[in-house]
Amino acid sequence: NAGVMQNPRHLVRRRGQEARLRCSPMKGHSHVYWYRQLPEEGLKFMVYLQKENIIDESGMPKERFSAEFPKEGPSILRIQQVVRGDSAAYFCASSPWTGTEAFFGQGTRLTVV
Amino acid sequence: QQQVKQSPQSLIVQKGGISIINCAYENTAFDYFPWYQQFPGKGPALLIAIRPDVSEKKEGRFTISFNKSAKQFSLHIMDSQPGDSATYFCAASPQGGSEKLVFGKGTKLTVNP
Repeated sequence: NAGVMQNPRHLVRRRGQEARLRCSPMKGHSHVYWYRQLPEEGLKFMVYLQKENIIDESGMPKERFSAEFPKEGPSILRIQQVVRGDSAAYFCASSPWTGTEAFFGQGTRLTVV
Repeated sequence: QQQVKQSPQSLIVQKGGISIINCAYENTAFDYFPWYQQFPGKGPALLIAIRPDVSEKKEGRFTISFNKSAKQFSLHIMDSQPGDSATYFCAASPQGGSEKLVFGKGTKLTVNP
């Protein structure tokens, strides 16, 4: 049973470009969570999704950031018009239902140059 | 407040010693308290977790102590080994599981041989 798969592992974007981060949850998991980790910081919750639904996006910046988890395919975290401050590690986690442990992927390290 | 405060920021112990990391929280709605271990370039991995109905939980060399009245919890690593060298994060969630985890800033543990 493969773990949570994130790709790409590393992503370099120039300021103003778009970044798309993908997350395939573990088999049988329908709950996905995105977190952002700045250097020397803990992880910060961004968004919680179930298939085709955004459950809680209270941690998402109001502009430029969006997330989806379609019926088929991976969850996508999209950052439009990236700025240097978006440089961070973005982690996805998944769980089979609420109230249980979530398993983290290895993250996507975004560098904005 | 949603904050979780973690200390120390870094910790150096000798092989065979006890590593102790402390966390404090303010939100009395938190009811799930996991500890995560993260190696460089990897995602966080759940180490051990506790709920507020117990004061202590032990799994192998890892023990969580929980003080509900003081709103504090700590991780003890007995017989610390060089392979334990990693960054440790405490976290808390108000929803009984891994939804919307609030993380501490992390403790970088180094175990010297």
